[in-house]
Amino acid sequence: AQKITQTQPGMFVQEKEAVTLDCTYDTSDPSYGLFWYKQPSSGEMIFLIYQGSYDQQNATEGRYSLNFQKARKSANLVISASQLGDSAMYFCAMRGGAYSGAGSYQLTFGKGTKLSVIP
Amino acid sequence: SQTIHQWPATLVQPVGSPLSLECTVEGTSNPNLYWYRQAAGRGLQLLFYSVGIGQISSEVPQNLSASRPQDRQFILSSKKLLLSDSGFYLCAWGEDRAAYEQYFGPGTRLTVT
Repeated sequence: AQKITQTQPGMFVQEKEAVTLDCTYDTSDPSYGLFWYKQPSSGEMIFLIYQGSYDQQNATEGRYSLNFQKARKSANLVISASQLGDSAMYFCAMRGGAYSGAGSYQLTFGKGTKLSVIP
Repeated sequence: SQTIHQWPATLVQPVGSPLSLECTVEGTSNPNLYWYRQAAGRGLQLLFYSVGIGQISSEVPQNLSASRPQDRQFILSSKKLLLSDSGFYLCAWGEDRAAYEQYFGPGTRLTVT
């Protein structure tokens, strides 16, 4: 079974500063994918970034980067130069690999971290 | 570009009433489709997924059901709602390969009274 743990229920960051949101995972699949989603107060889940377990380099998408440490089973999200619009819930998620059967289609989500950006 | 629609946006229904939530995707063909539920202050729980017309897989036993009558249409239903069915329901689509990200619709907020 797959499990995602986000230990920070809430985080505060000053505008223009960088912030790291923690995510650890547990899986027995040799191949898997890790995702980060942003959920503003409107409720829509917005895809931010993806990291495959065999990717050699850490994923980056604009101000978002994923600090992937496979041995530690962590996939922390780093947001650089925080903006007021970054205030939202952030969810880490995982899916199984191609041989995981139903697990390859299912995203397992953590409980989320509420990020508040302070002006 | 691809877009995903859900309706209604909000719904208040009494216990024991039926439910029908609809999700449609535009701009892609043969997508994988998903229904998730998010309880207040929690992460998402996968309810159903579909890899093709008429193909539905259920992840959580409950009084909900799903159907896919057309390639880009996914419907979540119930014959009799329970109080515990309240939550935020999100539909998502992904390409016909298991490996990549899922894109979510705007969601339906359901309150069962």
